Amino acid sequence: AQSVSQHNHHVILSEAASLELGCNYSYGGTVNLFWYVQYPGQHLQLLLKYFSGDPLVKGIKGFEAEFIKSKFSFNLRKPSVQWSDTAEYFCAVKGGGATNKLIFGTGTLLAVQP
Amino acid sequence: DTAVSQTPKYLVTQMGNDKSIKCEQNLGHDTMYWYKQDSKKFLKIMFSYNNKELIINETVPNRFSPKSPDKAHLNLHINSLELGDSAVYFCASSPSHRNYEQYFGPGTRLTVT
Repeated sequence: AQSVSQHNHHVILSEAASLELGCNYSYGGTVNLFWYVQYPGQHLQLLLKYFSGDPLVKGIKGFEAEFIKSKFSFNLRKPSVQWSDTAEYFCAVKGGGATNKLIFGTGTLLAVQP
Repeated sequence: DTAVSQTPKYLVTQMGNDKSIKCEQNLGHDTMYWYKQDSKKFLKIMFSYNNKELIINETVPNRFSPKSPDKAHLNLHINSLELGDSAVYFCASSPSHRNYEQYFGPGTRLTVT
């Protein structure tokens, strides 16, 4: 069965620090990968997605992620975080099958201190 | 111009009651979903409909019954509510049931007392 692991459950950074959130998935076939963000009290919003092509994907708000197939990883990065990046970040994978079923990781809570 | 909307936003009810949550999308999408987010923020898919046809039905108690009157609406009815049903329920939609990103609604926080 497909699964997604986010090893960092809670990350605390100061403003301007660099960010990298880990995401590993288990599925041997073709995958679609996503990072969603959930700001406090709000719904999930898509940050970026990977379907095919360039493994380095750029998303909104200065975020990017790199798909490394050999490592089954899709880590999220941002060179300089802001206080407004404080949120919960979810990695998700869609593997094989005829439906658009997303498997989510358990999320990483990022707290950015001013 | 809300894309995916849910009502109500908050729902507090007692054990044993029956309640419904409604979802509507104005994106013209064919596929809609229900997710449950538990107290630890873990998100798990429950159901998905494509053009009013049920295509994903995860291991969910049969007290939960989705209904899609048309492809813009997906409602969730829950019978005999239990304490463990307390969670945030998110509706989402996507252009089709193939490989597309999903757009999420604002969530319905259900509290069962």
